[in-house]
Amino acid sequence: DTAVSQTPKYLVTQMGNDKSIKCEQNLGHDTMYWYKQDSKKFLKIMFSYNNKELIINETVPNRFSPKSPDKAHLNLHINSLELGDSAVYFCASNHRGATEAFFGQGTRLTVV
Amino acid sequence: SQQGEEDPQALSIQEGENATMNCSYKTSINNLQWYRQNSGRGLVHLILIRSNEREKHSGRLRVTLDTSKKSSSLLITASRAADTASYFCATDVITGANSKLTFGKGITLSVRP
Repeated sequence: DTAVSQTPKYLVTQMGNDKSIKCEQNLGHDTMYWYKQDSKKFLKIMFSYNNKELIINETVPNRFSPKSPDKAHLNLHINSLELGDSAVYFCASNHRGATEAFFGQGTRLTVV
Repeated sequence: SQQGEEDPQALSIQEGENATMNCSYKTSINNLQWYRQNSGRGLVHLILIRSNEREKHSGRLRVTLDTSKKSSSLLITASRAADTASYFCATDVITGANSKLTFGKGITLSVRP
């Protein structure tokens, strides 16, 4: 059983398109995250949700809109994709402040 | 701004040697965690040390935390080729309802067989 699953694993799309990445966790965690990992492997936090509420938005362009329909899901929708959006996006979850975070396998987004 | 910074950025050792990786951070934390990332994969949690702890062990891993110096180290003893991966430290800061897990840039460890 996959603890944190995100789909798709690979996404190749053209500039200007809109795309979504989905994430689900079956661990009963109350906090979910989106991270962006660039080509230099730097992991930058984008969003954090606690119990479906947005807690952290790290100055991410408003082309990125996270949506949490329930505690187990945190989806990421990206409008008007740009070349600089190419990266690996990771979803993660944990219990707020107390435990390790579990990561999905990543979504490699390539904008051409 | 980035919270954690690891050094060295890259480390190459021979199998059987010990690997020491360091992490420094800027603000007060609730806990500090180390993660491992194999090429093309997600991050896997290795060990967590709370702000009131100074040292922790898990198998071949030993982590220390010095809150006065805002630094941590991860020691992997008797390294194996399978330890080749990127290692990240992450600081967990809780402010009210916010819990923010912030990662450093990572250290690339290569263990030569």
